[in-house]
Amino acid sequence: TQLLEQSPQFLSIQEGENLTVYCNSSSVFSSLQWYRQEPGEGPVLLVTVVTGGEVKKLKRLTFQFGDARKDSSLHITAAQPGDTGLYLCAENSGNTPLVFGKGTRLSVIA
Amino acid sequence: DAGITQSPRHKVTETGTPVTLRCHQTENHRYMYWYRQDPGHGLRLIHYSYGVKDTDKGEVSDGYSVSRSKTEDFLLTLESATSSQTSVYFCAIRTDRSPLHFGNGTRLTVT
Repeated sequence: TQLLEQSPQFLSIQEGENLTVYCNSSSVFSSLQWYRQEPGEGPVLLVTVVTGGEVKKLKRLTFQFGDARKDSSLHITAAQPGDTGLYLCAENSGNTPLVFGKGTRLSVIA
Repeated sequence: DAGITQSPRHKVTETGTPVTLRCHQTENHRYMYWYRQDPGHGLRLIHYSYGVKDTDKGEVSDGYSVSRSKTEDFLLTLESATSSQTSVYFCAIRTDRSPLHFGNGTRLTVT
């Protein structure tokens, strides 16, 4: 089973600041998904990255997939309180069940 | 979300009692999953199903059983609940090509 390491585990920042969270593995990802989970709800998919070096943008969120497909990052520009939540990465390998990292818990303070 | 419903949303039970959690979907998705989420451990797979009556174990299956007698329902049973099974349980569904779609979870407390 592939292990996914997410860092940092916790992050507390002021509104308007930028931040980056990371997802790393010792093995190559088939593809990688990022989810966001808000309190009392299930995780919701943000993006899937498939190709090494790929960059995807979702409003103020920028997702990068490493060239070697062993790491990924999520950068948030000008964070807002609505960005608060648990950010999870998950390795996607066809029809086998997803393996999730432990997540980064982000708190954006107004 | 109307596509996937977990019941109950909250449950408190005593050690040693059997507990069944239900996941119901209206999407006709083939795959269904049960995860548990605990602080410091993230989401861990308990069991999953790839069709009616087709199930397989996940990473943390000990003490749990599942059944899927029809496409729309996936039941998770704790045969004899223990305090270590206090957790938030999430059901998720997907097709061959879609991402996971999660329910809103069941918070189970075993006293």
